[in-house]
Amino acid sequence: NAGVTQTPKFRVLKTGQSMTLLCAQDMNHEYMYWYRQDPGMGLRLIHYSVGEGTTAKGEVPDGYNVSRLKKQNFLLGLESAAPSQTSVYFCASNQKLHTGELFFGEGSRLTVL
Amino acid sequence: GENVEQHPSTLSVQEGDSAVIKCTYSDSASNYFPWYKQELGKRPQLIIDIRSNVGEKKDQRIAVTLNKTAKHFSLHITETQPEDSAVYFCAASPNQAGTALIFGKGTTLSVSS
Repeated sequence: NAGVTQTPKFRVLKTGQSMTLLCAQDMNHEYMYWYRQDPGMGLRLIHYSVGEGTTAKGEVPDGYNVSRLKKQNFLLGLESAAPSQTSVYFCASNQKLHTGELFFGEGSRLTVL
Repeated sequence: GENVEQHPSTLSVQEGDSAVIKCTYSDSASNYFPWYKQELGKRPQLIIDIRSNVGEKKDQRIAVTLNKTAKHFSLHITETQPEDSAVYFCAASPNQAGTALIFGKGTTLSVSS
């Protein structure tokens, strides 16, 4: 099993450009999450999903959109990238929303110039 | 919503010493408290967790204690080794709809030999 896979791993964008990060998991997990990690700020929850076709806002949802059209995939979109969105993005999944171990992807480093 | 405070932000110890990281949470409905370790350039991984019906849990050199009344929990690492050097994140999760796991800002632990 590959676990949680994120694509791409690195990306450089110009301000105003759009892009989509793809997260795929092969563990049949119900729940999927997008976090961003910034120095000194820890892991902050952007959006999450409690099942196929559902999405919910986390702590820092502004400027991002998500979709969960298939159970195994969770997409994070930036419609108009800003320098403040320069970060490392982690996708995670688990089988229990509130009490289960999170399995993280390797991370995607995004730089917005 | 839930807010998790973590202290200290950096911690330096000598090999063989003990290390303690403390976290406080705000939502009394939280009942699951995991700890994640993130080595440099890697993804976060679960090292230990505790549920609200338990006061202490141990796994070899690591232990976690929980004080629900005071709303704080701590990670204890004994006999530290250089390979314990990493960033440690605490987290809390209220067992209710519309929420997910919220992380603290992290503690960078450095163990020198």
